[in-house]
Amino acid sequence: AQSVTQLGSHVSVSEGALVLLRCNYSSSVPPYLFWYVQYPNQGLQLLLKYTSAATLVKGINGFEAEFKKSETSFHLTKPSAHMSDAAEYFCAVSDTGGFKTIFGAGTRLFVKA
Amino acid sequence: EAQVTQNPRYLITVTGKKLTVTCSQNMNHEYMSWYRQDPGLGLRQIYYSMNVEVTDKGDVPEGYKVSRKEKRNFPLILESPSPNQTSLYFCASSSPQGGGETQYFGPGTRLLVL
Repeated sequence: AQSVTQLGSHVSVSEGALVLLRCNYSSSVPPYLFWYVQYPNQGLQLLLKYTSAATLVKGINGFEAEFKKSETSFHLTKPSAHMSDAAEYFCAVSDTGGFKTIFGAGTRLFVKA
Repeated sequence: EAQVTQNPRYLITVTGKKLTVTCSQNMNHEYMSWYRQDPGLGLRQIYYSMNVEVTDKGDVPEGYKVSRKEKRNFPLILESPSPNQTSLYFCASSSPQGGGETQYFGPGTRLLVL
C-alpha cells in the first residue's frame, strides 16, 4: 500500500531563508509524486510533479523538488522564502492508474518578516 | 475559465438530515474525486469516479454516497449526516494520462453537523 509521510506539521523560516519541506513515500510500484499548495480558504493547486522523467523537478513560484529513489524521498525546496509562500503544503503519491491519490498530512509554512 | 465549482461553500446542518454537496467541472475531465480534509490527517479520498456511471470507494467511504450520471457532475450525498462528518470537503477532477495526472480542485465546502 502506498503512504506518504511529511516530517513536521509546522515549519517556520525567515523571509529570504531556504525553505525545505520533507516528504517520504512508500510505494510498491514506480510512483507519481506531487506537491500541492493550499492558500487560506482556497482549494489545492499543483506546485510540481514527478512522473519518471527528470529527477529534479521545477515548479511554480521558484519551488523545486528532487526525487531520490534510494531514500524514497521527494523533498520540496525554495532558495529564498517570500511572505507570499506562507501556506499549507501537501505531498501526494498516486498509482499508475492515476485516480487513487494518497496525501500526506500537510506542512504549514510560516514566513517571518 | 477552466474550473471546478462546489455548492454550497458553507453548510450547517443537524444530525440525520440528508444533504447533497454538488460538484461540477467544465474541463471535460473523465476522473473526479471527493476528499475530506481534517487537521493533522491531510486529505483522504472518499469516492472517485473514472467516468460516467463508474464509481469506486476511496479510503473513507462510510456514510457517503456518490453518483456520476453526467460527465461534468459528481455530487456527494450524506444520507444521514453525523457529527464525525464535520469536515472540509474538496472535489477534484483530472484527465487520464496513464499516470501522474494533475488534479484540479474546487474551492471546498465546509460542513458542520450538529
